Amino acid sequence: KNQVEQSPQSLIILEGKNCTLQCNYTVSPFSNLRWYKQDTGRGPVSLTIMTFSENTKSNGRYTATLDADTKQSSLHITASQLSDSASYICVVIKTTGGSYIPTFGRGTSLIVHP
Amino acid sequence: DSGVTQTPKHLITATGQRVTLRCSPRSGDLSVYWYQQSLDQGLQFLIQYYNGEERAKGNILERFSAQQFPDLHSELNLSSLELGDSALYFCASSVLGQGNYGYTFGSGTRLTVV
Repeated sequence: KNQVEQSPQSLIILEGKNCTLQCNYTVSPFSNLRWYKQDTGRGPVSLTIMTFSENTKSNGRYTATLDADTKQSSLHITASQLSDSASYICVVIKTTGGSYIPTFGRGTSLIVHP
Repeated sequence: DSGVTQTPKHLITATGQRVTLRCSPRSGDLSVYWYQQSLDQGLQFLIQYYNGEERAKGNILERFSAQQFPDLHSELNLSSLELGDSALYFCASSVLGQGNYGYTFGSGTRLTVV
């Protein structure tokens, strides 16, 4: 059972529009939550890393939020560009026995149309 | 170029065979992580090494093994290959072994088992 659920599974938007991707998790004990962007056939690239005490973090046009109480995170993309077309993956890191174990969501596939 | 080098980029082999995937971490990074990405499972964490020693283990099959050498490069060995092992295998590296540091991913090795 995947403990990190992302929605929507896929999303199509027009260039210039904003969008928000969701991530709900049940992974514990929580260490940090990350958002990655993965272009087809390429390795994921880190967008943001948030620890328990951080509510929001921005990276250019990407803004991630975290509500550790409700175990929800979102990734907001502003003024989308064609190059934003990719899969966006939410990753939750848990601590166990001194190790840090990542659990990945299945990703949201974003397509930006001109 | 992320600085993490994976070879080979593509590999086609038959069921029952054994293959070795290689990863050179980014300069200065001590920790190496291996991941498997298949269409039906998404990204799965396999194993982590830190400065030559195994640090964390994920969903790694007994047919798979890995090691990190004194020069910090790592190899992932896959044996008795099955059709279901066909996937993208990613390596990532980070400066330290703790969970709050970002990973840098390589571009992956695409393994096809026929």
